[in-house]
Amino acid sequence: QEQLQQSGPGLVKPSQTLSLTCAVSGDSVSSNSAAWNWIRQSPSRGLEWLGRTYYRSKWYNDYAVSVESRITIKPDTSKNQFSLQLNSVTPEDTAVYYCARDRDGFDIWGQGTMVTVSS
Amino acid sequence: DIQMTQSPSSLSASVGDRVTITCRASQTISSYLNWYQQKPGKAPKLLIYVASSLQSGVPSRFSGSGSGTDFTLTISSVQPEDFATYYCQQSYSTPYTFGQGTKLEIK
Repeated sequence: QEQLQQSGPGLVKPSQTLSLTCAVSGDSVSSNSAAWNWIRQSPSRGLEWLGRTYYRSKWYNDYAVSVESRITIKPDTSKNQFSLQLNSVTPEDTAVYYCARDRDGFDIWGQGTMVTVSS
Repeated sequence: DIQMTQSPSSLSASVGDRVTITCRASQTISSYLNWYQQKPGKAPKLLIYVASSLQSGVPSRFSGSGSGTDFTLTISSVQPEDFATYYCQQSYSTPYTFGQGTKLEIK
């Protein structure tokens, strides 16, 4: 069964790096017909798409301009997973973070990780 | 960025009512419009993709229509499990963007 399983810390200190991983089962992160995304949700910003990685004969990334200077999304084909790193976090980065597969819409979602940025 | 505007922001309905939610894009997005349902504490669930295609496993009382800039999600007969928040999302171009949500509440 297709599933995404998120892992990572729920508390990050200001100025440090937020790191989350999304393990893929029932599909391949190297699929030529899917893209692998990170999305966050907060009361102030609503649902916000952060970026994606996808494989079409080679790897590509797209990032939201709002986080472009601080974000890295990377695939790990050996573990069939992909990761999010967000550098230099501030309290404004506090949100629920989701990974999601895009195959004609975001059809599979991770369970969500509440990340709080606080000292 | 393409802005997505939903209306209304909230809606009260009774079981059995027909409900329509609208979504407007700030520029044309062809049919690249998806609809999601979200319940408290859960991830969004895909209902409709490319404006009018019903996602597998979603009840047929949900339907979508529209193209260009104006889209609608219709629930033909609201059931108790449908009370939730609904979001539209454009997949025409990155950055992908979502509407602000429509909360469907019990009257």
